Amino acid sequence: AQSVSQHNHHVILSEAASLELGCNYSYGGTVNLFWYVQYPGQHLQLLLKYFSGDPLVKGIKGFEAEFIKSKFSFNLRKPSVQWSDTAEYFCAVKAPRDYKLSFGAGTTVTVRA
Amino acid sequence: GAVVSQHPSRVICKSGTSVKIECRSLDFQATTMFWYRQFPKQSLMLMATSNEGSKATYEQGVEKDKFLINHASLTLSTLTVTSAHPEDSSFYICSAVDGVGYTFGSGTRLTVV
Repeated sequence: AQSVSQHNHHVILSEAASLELGCNYSYGGTVNLFWYVQYPGQHLQLLLKYFSGDPLVKGIKGFEAEFIKSKFSFNLRKPSVQWSDTAEYFCAVKAPRDYKLSFGAGTTVTVRA
Repeated sequence: GAVVSQHPSRVICKSGTSVKIECRSLDFQATTMFWYRQFPKQSLMLMATSNEGSKATYEQGVEKDKFLINHASLTLSTLTVTSAHPEDSSFYICSAVDGVGYTFGSGTRLTVV
């Protein structure tokens, strides 16, 4: 079974600062990787996903993530955050032929105006 | 885009009673739905996979007689927490496979008193 580790539990930063959230997974085979965001009081929304191809994936709202196979990592980045990026961020992994998603513990991001 | 409606959003029940949570796909058919449980500051833990027209598949450690799942139609899956106890208090989230990925419900905050 896959496991997912998100290194930061809570990140606090100011508007316009750069954001990077770490995600590492443990699984020996090919994986599909996801980042989800949960704004306060809302459901999880997909930010981006990686299945194959270019390891640098661009998502919505200016987010991107880089898949580094050798490091089993899929870190999320945003060059300049806004106050509206305050949310909970979840990394998730699944095997290609499986429907089950394994989630990391989540990272709370607080952006101060 | 695809929408999943989860109801109720909050419920308080007395210990020993049962609570039903509904998860509906509003504009697509969902053969497969998932039920998660989320503890504060922790990851989403997959409880079971709900398949339309067949029995749910429960994850290890999840009591199937306590968490009854019914997926009687292509747009509705229900989770019934039977004989609820305070330790069942949690945030329950459903998701549906929508053909291109996953769509999540807004979650149900269950408090057992």
